[in-house]
Amino acid sequence: AQSVTQLGSHVSVSEGALVLLRCNYSSSVPPYLFWYVQYPNQGLQLLLKYTSAATLVKGINGFEAEFKKSETSFHLTKPSAHMSDAAEYFCAVSDPSNQFYFGTGTSLTVIP
Amino acid sequence: DAMVIQNPRYQVTQFGKPVTLSCSQTLNHNVMYWYQQKSSQAPKLLFHYYDKDFNNEADTPDNFQSRRPNTSFCFLDIRSPGLGDAAMYLCATSREQGWGYTFGSGTRLTVV
Repeated sequence: AQSVTQLGSHVSVSEGALVLLRCNYSSSVPPYLFWYVQYPNQGLQLLLKYTSAATLVKGINGFEAEFKKSETSFHLTKPSAHMSDAAEYFCAVSDPSNQFYFGTGTSLTVIP
Repeated sequence: DAMVIQNPRYQVTQFGKPVTLSCSQTLNHNVMYWYQQKSSQAPKLLFHYYDKDFNNEADTPDNFQSRRPNTSFCFLDIRSPGLGDAAMYLCATSREQGWGYTFGSGTRLTVV
C-alpha cells in the first residue's frame, strides 16, 4: 500500500514570504499526485495534480509543485503568501491499483 | 457549473436517532465516495460506489450504510449515531477510480 507523508502538521509563514509544504510518497511506480486545500467548514478543493506529464505543475491561486522521482517528493510552493492562503493542505496519491491515499495534512498559518 | 452538492451543510441529530445525509452530482462521474473527517485529521474513506457496485472499507462500522439510487445521487445513512460519529462527512466523485476527486462542501454532523 502507498503511504503519503506530509512533514510538518503546522507551518507558519509571514505574509509575502515563500510557502513550502512538503510531501513525500512511497512508490516504485510513479503515481498520480495531488494537492488539495481545505478552508474551515468546507470540502476539499483541488489545487493541482501531476499525471506523468510535465514535472513542474502549476495550479490555482499561484501554487505550484514539482515532481521529483529521485526524491519521491511532490512539495507545494508559492512565492508570496497571502492571508487568504491560510487553510489546511492535503497531499494525496493514487497508485496503479487505483487506490487513493491522503496525507495527514498541513495547517498553514499566515502571519500579517 | 457542474458540481457536487451536499445537503444539509449542518446537521444536528440526537444520540441513537437515524440520520441521512445526501449528495448529488451533475458531473456524470462513475464513482462516488463518502469520507468521514474528524477534527484536524485527514479524510477517512467509508465506502464508494463504482456505478452501482458498492465497496465497503473493511473498518467501516456496520452503523454506516449507503445507497445510490441513480448516477446522480448518493446517500449516507447512520442508523444509530453515537457521540463518536460527530464529524464532517464529505462526498466526492471521480470519473474513474484513482483520478482526482471533486468534493462537495461537506455536512457537519453534530450528535447531542
